[in-house]
Amino acid sequence: SQTIHQWPATLVQPVGSPLSLECTVEGTSNPNLYWYRQAAGRGLQLLFYSVGIGQISSEVPQNLSASRPQDRQFILSSKKLLLSDSGFYLCAWSGSGRYVNEQFFGPGTRLTVL
Amino acid sequence: AQSVSQHNHHVILSEAASLELGCNYSYGGTVNLFWYVQYPGQHLQLLLKYFSGDPLVKGIKGFEAEFIKSKFSFNLRKPSVQWSDTAEYFCAVSLYNNNDMRFGAGTRLTVKP
Repeated sequence: SQTIHQWPATLVQPVGSPLSLECTVEGTSNPNLYWYRQAAGRGLQLLFYSVGIGQISSEVPQNLSASRPQDRQFILSSKKLLLSDSGFYLCAWSGSGRYVNEQFFGPGTRLTVL
Repeated sequence: AQSVSQHNHHVILSEAASLELGCNYSYGGTVNLFWYVQYPGQHLQLLLKYFSGDPLVKGIKGFEAEFIKSKFSFNLRKPSVQWSDTAEYFCAVSLYNNNDMRFGAGTRLTVKP
């Protein structure tokens, strides 16, 4: 069966420090991968999605970037964190191909920028 | 702009009450529709989905949703809620043949025992 992992689960970082959040998927190949930020009362905001290795689409301009170095690995990064980057970050995957499948979510990372 | 609206931000019900959570979207084409649920401390998980066919969709835990194309709506219902239904519920929409999914702001449901 397919599983999705995110780490770390929680992270406290100072303003101006770099960030690297990792997401890996097991049990499937060539998934579509997504990064979301969940803010209270604002639902899930899609940040990035990827349909293949090295293919990244950005939904909103921001202080963050994403990379997909391997088929089942998706990384969210920042060179210098801002206070406004605090939030709950969710990674998700879906099946690739012609038809939309539902997205499956990881446990999330709670990021606090101080 | 394409959007998904959930009009109820926080709903408080007593056990055995009936539930209906509203979801409206503004996409113009053929859509796929989803309801996700996030129980306290748990992953976001799929409650039910609509791709095509019968517009009344049955999901897990006694939930159902009805797709009304003319109203651009996909409301979630449950005849009798339980304390364990306390969670946050998210409506999501994606265009047919498109993996880009958009979520509503979520509705927090609190069920009093």
